[in-house]
Amino acid sequence: DVKVTQSSRYLVKRTGEKVFLECVQDMDHENMFWYRQDPGLGLRLIYFSYDVKMKEKGDIPEGYSVSREKKERFSLILESASTNQTSMYLCASSAGQGLNTEAFFGQGTRLTVV
Amino acid sequence: AQKITQTQPGMFVQEKEAVTLDCTYDTSDPSYGLFWYKQPSSGEMIFLIYQGSYDQQNATEGRYSLNFQKARKSANLVISASQLGDSAMYFCAMREVSNDYKLSFGAGTTVTVRA
Repeated sequence: DVKVTQSSRYLVKRTGEKVFLECVQDMDHENMFWYRQDPGLGLRLIYFSYDVKMKEKGDIPEGYSVSREKKERFSLILESASTNQTSMYLCASSAGQGLNTEAFFGQGTRLTVV
Repeated sequence: AQKITQTQPGMFVQEKEAVTLDCTYDTSDPSYGLFWYKQPSSGEMIFLIYQGSYDQQNATEGRYSLNFQKARKSANLVISASQLGDSAMYFCAMREVSNDYKLSFGAGTTVTVRA
């Protein structure tokens, strides 16, 4: 069974903290993505990576960075957490480049910044 | 500009009835792919169905079918014979070549199935 695993289901952090959200996939996929999900806005792409050590900005990268040191792991970093980063974060992975390529998602991390 | 528009924030449907979820999209690419995902309250995103822009027939997967109207840029999801387990949020998404094959999502529609 294919799997994308996010390290935490729920996180509570304080304003100004550095926050790491970890994502691991076991499908040997080249592509990995980080989205945030907010009511009424759907999923918005933060960052993505098509290869190890490669990263590209998505639609809303401000306040975030990423790291991909190994193919299976893609980390999202909030350098200095703020309350407007309270959200649901979803990691996804997919194989290759194709219009019909299915993306597989993790179970999500609900982050609250207080 | 919004690439994917889902105009129904929430819907109620009676068990065993069919429900149609609306999705319109905006692209100038001749070739693109359209997806529907289901997100139960547990949070994971579950792939339901895919339609390619050049597919001649509407996609079907069990109780799910996609009503694809290319000229109208519409890709509505039809769930037949609704079950209580269909209660979830549903997202329409599109992948375009011009957008580096990234998935763009709509705002989602919450479906509640009543017994």
